[in-house]
Amino acid sequence: SAVISQKPSRDICQRGTSLTIQCQVDSQVTMMFWYRQQPGQSLTLIATANQGSEATYESGFVIDKFPISRPNLTFSTLTVSNMSPEDSSIYLCSVDLQGALEDTQYFGPGTRLTVL
Amino acid sequence: AQSVAQPEDQVNVAEGNPLTVKCTYSVSGNPYLFWYVQYPNRGLQFLLKYITGDNLVKGSYGFEAEFNKSQTSFHLKKPSALVSDSALYFCAVRDGYSSASKIIFGSGTRLSIRP
Repeated sequence: SAVISQKPSRDICQRGTSLTIQCQVDSQVTMMFWYRQQPGQSLTLIATANQGSEATYESGFVIDKFPISRPNLTFSTLTVSNMSPEDSSIYLCSVDLQGALEDTQYFGPGTRLTVL
Repeated sequence: AQSVAQPEDQVNVAEGNPLTVKCTYSVSGNPYLFWYVQYPNRGLQFLLKYITGDNLVKGSYGFEAEFNKSQTSFHLKKPSALVSDSALYFCAVRDGYSSASKIIFGSGTRLSIRP
């Protein structure tokens, strides 16, 4: 398995500002993912972040709004830019441990964002 | 295209009774199936998975799930529910035939165990 930490665990932000969320993993992983979970909803994939290349965004998500960094194999950041109340969600970092015994995604504890 | 359905938004069970949380899936290749649990104000915790082998998979906290290929189902079960099992449960699927396939999550089922 993997141990994943996220900072901050929660934040309350003003409309129009930006927040950067950090994700740290205790082992080197190739693929990292960022998800959004809106209140009462399931998880929606924002983007896939591979080290050494630009993130791949899902339909409905753009780099200008959700820029992602992946400077090494254990760390990634997601920025929520120019926030509005509709961005209030839980943001989750996830890693994919692939191999003969794994093929499982593990999740961080999430960052609960409230935009006023 | 792959998809996963959790037909029940909420399941209510008395403590000590058996519980079942339903999940059906659709993939074009080999299904890799997962169950995750989310406690209040927490991230998702991995419970169990089916990749290949025995159709009955045992996981954390006494949970198990049965892979049924003919019914394309992967229902989560526990013989005796605990109040502490109350949480939001997500079924997920990925197409094991494609290494580039993404994991798709169901809509979630809220499990409520009454004392």
